[in-house]
Amino acid sequence: AAGVIQSPRHLIKEKRETATLKCYPIPRHDTVYWYQQGPGQDPQFLISFYEKMQSDKGSIPDRFSAQQFSDYHSELNMSSLELGDSALYFCASSTQGRTSGYNEQFFGPGTRLTVL
Amino acid sequence: GQSLEQPSEVTAVEGAIVQINCTYQTSGFYGLSWYQQHDGGAPTFLSYNALDGLEETGRFSSFLSRSDSYGYLLLQELQMKDSASYFCAVSSYGQNFVFGPGTRLSVLP
Repeated sequence: AAGVIQSPRHLIKEKRETATLKCYPIPRHDTVYWYQQGPGQDPQFLISFYEKMQSDKGSIPDRFSAQQFSDYHSELNMSSLELGDSALYFCASSTQGRTSGYNEQFFGPGTRLTVL
Repeated sequence: GQSLEQPSEVTAVEGAIVQINCTYQTSGFYGLSWYQQHDGGAPTFLSYNALDGLEETGRFSSFLSRSDSYGYLLLQELQMKDSASYFCAVSSYGQNFVFGPGTRLSVLP
């Protein structure tokens, strides 16, 4: 079965550089989520999209932005990178709309971002 | 706001039964989910409870008490491969999906 695809899997950047992470959700999933997970931490919700429209916003810094395209893939753009941005970034997708309670999210393998 | 509490660590031996508790505070509660995450891996969905009671899926069961804002994940016949972090997560109306801090389960031989 198709799973969530994320690219790249690993990314190394310098401080103040920009990074773009890509996510390809499972086909026919209508909702995409982005999470940031630091070492030993729980996944922190950043932002989500339902049918290509931003649906919820969590603890996403102003330096970050995201969008979902017509083919449903999503990109997380990160600018002015800081050392503290080093983390694992997960994308997840689901078939439930933002107001649905049942929320089985399928996670991608993650992108490990290291900021030097 | 929303908040969830879980024990940070639990240790048990192979073949045993372990219960991981989760208490939550939120408004507009829909349901409680459980996810498993191995080191370096992605979270994997285990279960979801919207109504009071016990949901059983193989060796794993999940319980919810809405009146107590409390749930637990029960793992039976523990295996070494069950060593992982377990997160409870809350779905609430009009609010973001929120994970708990996670419980690290260590299964000993």
